[in-house]
Amino acid sequence: DTAVSQTPKYLVTQMGNDKSIKCEQNLGHDTMYWYKQDSKKFLKIMFSYNNKELIINETVPNRFSPKSPDKAHLNLHINSLELGDSAVYFCASSQGIRDSAYEQYFGPGTRLTVT
Amino acid sequence: GESVGLHLPTLSVQEGDNSIINCAYSNSASDYFIWYKQESGKGPQFIIDIRSNMDKRQGQRVTVLLNKTVKHLSLQIAATQPGDSAVYFCAEMGWGSQGNLIFGKGTKLSVKP
Repeated sequence: DTAVSQTPKYLVTQMGNDKSIKCEQNLGHDTMYWYKQDSKKFLKIMFSYNNKELIINETVPNRFSPKSPDKAHLNLHINSLELGDSAVYFCASSQGIRDSAYEQYFGPGTRLTVT
Repeated sequence: GESVGLHLPTLSVQEGDNSIINCAYSNSASDYFIWYKQESGKGPQFIIDIRSNMDKRQGQRVTVLLNKTVKHLSLQIAATQPGDSAVYFCAEMGWGSQGNLIFGKGTKLSVKP
């Protein structure tokens, strides 16, 4: 009965490869997010989807492409992986994007290591 | 660049004492603030939030104080327990930002038994 789940939890891959991280939420929320947390624990938003539409797209390389097949899923595809992509990636969801509906629920994270 | 930061990167307290974690923000247009707790190997977990029209809000063992004059936010944890050991983040959001939360650097709280 996990609210926000991500797969895989750990991902080790070589530079230049293409990989995907999947996220699913069973909370009935209509907004989902991807965050990147670096080695210093700094957490920064990458993308946000509301009702399957992209509403936030921070300065992220084009190699990162989010895909939302439905409101419950937001997957992250990364092309041509680089060493600097190594980080923990968190998926989150919320009922809305403002005020009391805003509380974001985070998944357990995917630790990506690029060698 | 970042508009939210923390004064203390690490904080060590004795079990049973009160903890205070501070946060400074620079965007005066921010009107919504949240504290998150992140335990090792887990995702951030919502603790408490506060809107800019309030200066204090209390939860269970936690209190958030907002001082808009000096753009300062604090999280007070009463009777700190070992289970409170984690990294704490403050985050801000401005009106019209469409859910774009800006997180601070985080403070690691260690509770000594």
